[in-house]
Amino acid sequence: SAVISQKPSRDICQRGTSLTIQCQVDSQVTMMFWYRQQPGQSLTLIATANQGSEATYESGFVIDKFPISRPNLTFSTLTVSNMSPEDSSIYLCSVWTGQREGNTIYFGEGSWLTVV
Amino acid sequence: RKEVEQDPGPFNVPEGATVAFNCTYSNSASQSFFWYRQDCRKEPKLLMSVYSSGNEDGRFTAQLNRASQYISLLIRDSKLSDSATYLCVVNTNAGKSTFGDGTTLTVKP
Repeated sequence: SAVISQKPSRDICQRGTSLTIQCQVDSQVTMMFWYRQQPGQSLTLIATANQGSEATYESGFVIDKFPISRPNLTFSTLTVSNMSPEDSSIYLCSVWTGQREGNTIYFGEGSWLTVV
Repeated sequence: RKEVEQDPGPFNVPEGATVAFNCTYSNSASQSFFWYRQDCRKEPKLLMSVYSSGNEDGRFTAQLNRASQYISLLIRDSKLSDSATYLCVVNTNAGKSTFGDGTTLTVKP
């Protein structure tokens, strides 16, 4: 398994500002992902954070809005840029430790973002 | 059509009841299957993996039918603490997962 720490755990932000969320894992992991969970909905994959290269974004998500960094195998950041109230959501970092652990993915505790 | 579809719920059952959740997926190349549990205002946590042969963990039984692209979760002898949202998760590529919308279970005394 993996222990994942996210921060901030929650924040209230003004519209038009940007917020960077950090994700730290206690061991090197193969894959890191960022998900969003809007109120009352399930999880939607934003992007795969690639170590040392640009993230791979899912349909409907773009780098200008959600820039992602992954400088090494244990750390990643997600920035929510130029925020609007529609960005109010839970943002979750997740990791995949490989097939040796049955393809399981693990989640951080989430960052609860409210945009006012 | 969504890639992963679940019973919309909610399910409201008395303690001790048996409840079953269903899930279907559309991508026949899917490789791994899971049930996650999400408590209110918490992150999802792995409940159990789902194997073709079916697998059981205490009161929980998961089954997979690859031909029908169907996954199920059975909870026997429901407890109050089982109240949560149950997410059906399908993994196609190396950790990249698709989530169902979840089924909410409330177990009442």
